[in-house]
Amino acid sequence: QPVLTQSSSASASLGSSVRLTCTLSSGHSSYIIAWHQQQPGKAPRYLMKFDGSGGYKKGSGLPERFSGSSSGPDRYLTISHVQSEDEADYYCETWDTKTQVFGGGTKLTVL
Amino acid sequence: EVQVVESGGGLVQPGGSLRLSCAASGFTFSNYWMHWVRQAPGKGLVWVSRVNEDGTITTYADSVKGRFTVSRDNAKSTVYLQLNSLRVDDTAVYYCVADRGWEPKVWGQGTLVTVSS
Repeated sequence: QPVLTQSSSASASLGSSVRLTCTLSSGHSSYIIAWHQQQPGKAPRYLMKFDGSGGYKKGSGLPERFSGSSSGPDRYLTISHVQSEDEADYYCETWDTKTQVFGGGTKLTVL
Repeated sequence: EVQVVESGGGLVQPGGSLRLSCAASGFTFSNYWMHWVRQAPGKGLVWVSRVNEDGTITTYADSVKGRFTVSRDNAKSTVYLQLNSLRVDDTAVYYCVADRGWEPKVWGQGTLVTVSS
């Protein structure tokens, strides 16, 4: 089954850009993933689905400063012009016919 | 408004049972896979179970296989999760998630299940 690896933490200054990484395990590099955001004390929020070939579907109302990209098994979530409300946990998710899998999450701190 | 709303959480003793419900509105429920995802206090998201559009295909995480059962009633736009033989480590917020192809996933607000004596 696929495994997703995320860094446990990241930081960015207000107004800067940050790129979060989610790495698919060997043999699963073509998988579609989804990104989710969880602000402190809130339920997760869907951000986008991303197929690694440039195809993606953003959630309703998601600001343009959130974007996805990929390189091989790596899926990236880039946040431009970081704002204080972007401080949150970010999870990637993938799936196959037998299971769904979440990464461990990256805690983004806005400085 | 597209939304899913969970209910049924609460405090239960180890070995006990609980049934969670998730009511959907604002979209064609019968076109969506439905998932349950949980989050233990201070921990990350963990997928629990899913059911396909007509309820004929169900899948479970190994940690709950044989103890939890997912089902759905498309006439009521509701998905259920029956939790049996509950353990202390099942304590978590349980989220319902609607999913269809390339459409955005829809998360609920969650319902807290506490397993404690």
